[in-house]
Amino acid sequence: AQSVTQPDIHITVSEGASLELRCNYSYGATPYLFWYVQSPGQGLQLLLKYFSGDTLVQGIKGFEAEFKRSQSSFNLRKPSVHWSDAAEYFCAVGLEDGGSQGNLIFGKGTKLSVKP
Amino acid sequence: EPEVTQTPSHQVTQMGQEVILRCVPISNHLYFYWYRQILGQKVEFLVSFYNNEISEKSEIFDDQFSVERPDGSNFTLKIRSTKLEDSAMYFCASSESLAGGSDTQYFGPGTRLTVL
Repeated sequence: AQSVTQPDIHITVSEGASLELRCNYSYGATPYLFWYVQSPGQGLQLLLKYFSGDTLVQGIKGFEAEFKRSQSSFNLRKPSVHWSDAAEYFCAVGLEDGGSQGNLIFGKGTKLSVKP
Repeated sequence: EPEVTQTPSHQVTQMGQEVILRCVPISNHLYFYWYRQILGQKVEFLVSFYNNEISEKSEIFDDQFSVERPDGSNFTLKIRSTKLEDSAMYFCASSESLAGGSDTQYFGPGTRLTVL
């Protein structure tokens, strides 16, 4: 069955430090990949997405992610974290096959804390 | 920028009562979704809806759940007889086309349902 794994439940980084949040997926074909962010009390906001083409995708708020087919990964990165980036980050996979009509499969999320 | 809205933001109900969660998708979108997130767990797909009928539903979406598009703007999720385990944040989402294809799902801020 398709799945998304975010191995880090909680990460703390210092403001200004670089960030990498890990995401691995299990799917037989190339999936559609998304990163969403959820600030406290807020809904899910799309950061970026990968459908095809360049494996390094740029998103909002200075985030980027790289699709690595060989590692089944889609890690999210940011070179310099801001205190306002503290939130929960969800990786999601969108499938297009005979058994799925567009629902997203989410990872469990990684909570990011930023210390001054 | 157009956004998905949901009402109410917080709903408290007694076990066994019926609740209706409301969503207004983005106006030119054709596909609608409900997801839920039990506290501390991952976001889970419930149901997708297109052309006034359910496209796909998960195992969670049993006979206690129903969805409806009663008019041209609202999209509702009804839980007929709530159980304690229905307590969760419920997210509505919409997309122009199937997110498993080439489009993105945009999420509302969620309704927190508390069943006592």
